[in-house]
Amino acid sequence: NAGVTQTPKFQVLKTGQSMTLQCAQDMNHEYMSWYRQDPGMGLRLIHYSVGAGITDQGEVPNGYNVSRSTTEDFPLRLLSAAPSQTSVYFCASSYDRGVGTEAFFGQGTRLTVV
Amino acid sequence: AQSVTQPDIHITVSEGASLELRCNYSYGATPYLFWYVQSPGQGLQLLLKYFSGDTLVQGIKGFEAEFKRSQSSFNLRKPSVHWSDAAEYFCAVGPYGGATNKLIFGTGTLLAVQP
Repeated sequence: NAGVTQTPKFQVLKTGQSMTLQCAQDMNHEYMSWYRQDPGMGLRLIHYSVGAGITDQGEVPNGYNVSRSTTEDFPLRLLSAAPSQTSVYFCASSYDRGVGTEAFFGQGTRLTVV
Repeated sequence: AQSVTQPDIHITVSEGASLELRCNYSYGATPYLFWYVQSPGQGLQLLLKYFSGDTLVQGIKGFEAEFKRSQSSFNLRKPSVHWSDAAEYFCAVGPYGGATNKLIFGTGTLLAVQP
């Protein structure tokens, strides 16, 4: 059981380049989210989705796009990378309802923008 | 505004000593509360969660947490710390009824364990 899989694990980009961080889950979860983790700031929500075809903005959405064409995949796109987007990115998934649900996290993607 | 505060950025304890990590939240409704642990270079692992009922919840690895509504706190405790507990710990809050895709995290507490 793979859980939440993120690729790549590490990436270096030049300012202005674009790229897509991949996230896939095999638990048939409706909810998926992207967070970024920065020192001293914890994890902050970038975008989230409540199901295929439905996405919404979180706390820090600027500079990022998402789409959800399937239940399994939730890619995060950086349109024009900036040094301020240097961070560790985590994808998470969970069931959409019910007491006792929890979010499962991927291993993270460490992105450096130079 | 909803928020989570972890007042201690860094804590050092001796192996075998007891541990308490503090977490305070600001939330307008009944929250879901979580503690996650992150080992170096790893993702986040759920230690425990509180939704309702008994305010003292047990988690994995010998951790427990107590929900105190009057103090808006959800402190994490362990009676005897092991060297392998050295990691960063995050408290998080989510809206009651689910929506665990919109968690609000604290800034984390980095735990160091001395031999």
